[in-house]
Amino acid sequence: AQTVTQSQPEMSVQEAETVTLSCTYDTSENNYYLFWYKQPPSRQMILVIRQEAYKQQNATENRFSVNFQKAAKSFSLKISDSQLGDTAMYFCALKEYGNKLVFGAGTILRVKS
Amino acid sequence: GAVVSQHPSRVICKSGTSVKIECRSLDFQATTMFWYRQFPKQSLMLMATSNEGSKATYEQGVEKDKFLINHASLTLSTLTVTSAHPEDSSFYICSAGGAPDGSSYEQYFGPGTRLTVT
Repeated sequence: AQTVTQSQPEMSVQEAETVTLSCTYDTSENNYYLFWYKQPPSRQMILVIRQEAYKQQNATENRFSVNFQKAAKSFSLKISDSQLGDTAMYFCALKEYGNKLVFGAGTILRVKS
Repeated sequence: GAVVSQHPSRVICKSGTSVKIECRSLDFQATTMFWYRQFPKQSLMLMATSNEGSKATYEQGVEKDKFLINHASLTLSTLTVTSAHPEDSSFYICSAGGAPDGSSYEQYFGPGTRLTVT
């Protein structure tokens, strides 16, 4: 069974600094996708970044990057130059090929000015 | 990117009545739609998966007679909460996309519907 664990319920970071959110997962498959979603106070789910498991190169989207360690089944999100608009709940998610999307419990991130 | 809408954005209904929530894919055809439930500060819980033209697949523990899902077209899925009770109050989110066999990873989320049952 696929599972996703986010061990940090809440985190805070000072504006312009860097923060890393942790995520570990478990799957018996070799082909799968990993995602980080952002849910701001509006509660609209927004895709932040996506990683295909077969790609060794870590995905990057502007200030957002991941550290994908396939053997360790770890998928952390790094946010550089944090902005007030980054304040949100962040969900790590896993999708095995042919299976449903599974979310972690989420991490509430607060960016302080 | 693809846009998914939900209507209404919030609804208040009395205990014992039924309420319908619509989920529409505005600029693409969605063969598969998903319905999630979310409590405050918690994760999304998948309730059911619906494929156009066929019966929905419900997750374990979700009452299919209480949460009726219809996916009548490639752009519209509806969730009807029947005989609503206060414990059904929650935030309901739909998403659209993906292939029927689950091979596609793309899912586009609607803005959600806040249901309050009094």
